Amino acid sequence: ETGVTQSPTHLIKTRGQQVTLRCSSQSGHNTVSWYQQALGQGPQFIFQYYREEENGRGNFPPRFSGLQFPNYSSELNVNALELDDSALYLCASSLPLAGGLSTDTQYFGPGTRLTVL
Amino acid sequence: KQEVTQIPAALSVPEGENLVLNCSFTDSAIYNLQWFRQDPGKGLTSLLLIQSSQREQTSGRLNASLDKSSGRSTLYIAASQPGDSATYLCAVGSGNTPLVFGKGTRLSVIA
Repeated sequence: ETGVTQSPTHLIKTRGQQVTLRCSSQSGHNTVSWYQQALGQGPQFIFQYYREEENGRGNFPPRFSGLQFPNYSSELNVNALELDDSALYLCASSLPLAGGLSTDTQYFGPGTRLTVL
Repeated sequence: KQEVTQIPAALSVPEGENLVLNCSFTDSAIYNLQWFRQDPGKGLTSLLLIQSSQREQTSGRLNASLDKSSGRSTLYIAASQPGDSATYLCAVGSGNTPLVFGKGTRLSVIA
């Protein structure tokens, strides 16, 4: 059984650029959630994807967008980067709950550390 | 809006001590509560998941309790070891809303 993997591990961008972060779900999991964790804070929910459709979104602007692919891997795209986007971005996979957002046991990847200069 | 608070923010104990980490939440209509461990700069490792119908869960030296009516959970760590040093995060799930996390408790166990 493979765990959740994320790439890249670290990334440095400048303000205004665009970035794509990638996540591979744990085997058998068809739901993926993305979180942003600023230094010293708990993770904040960005959005969740289930079977390639967005299944819930947190309080993040539209320049944060995502995709889920048929193999359940996922991307997080951030356009027009701002300094405050510097954070650890976490991906988590899980099995879905019927009729709602998945909040069953979530398996987190190691994260991508994004620094915006 | 669900809010999760963890106290204390940081804790330093000598090796071998038993300790308790606290988590409180404002909306008792939860589906489950999870405790996670996070090592510096790393992702989250799920430690224990308590369903809303349960009172506690145990795994090795860890025991988590849940009191929905009072909006509290505790994580008890027995016979602490230096390898337990990490940040411990509590997260609440409410079925149709995403996980809401506290800011964590940073634990240092001194040998």
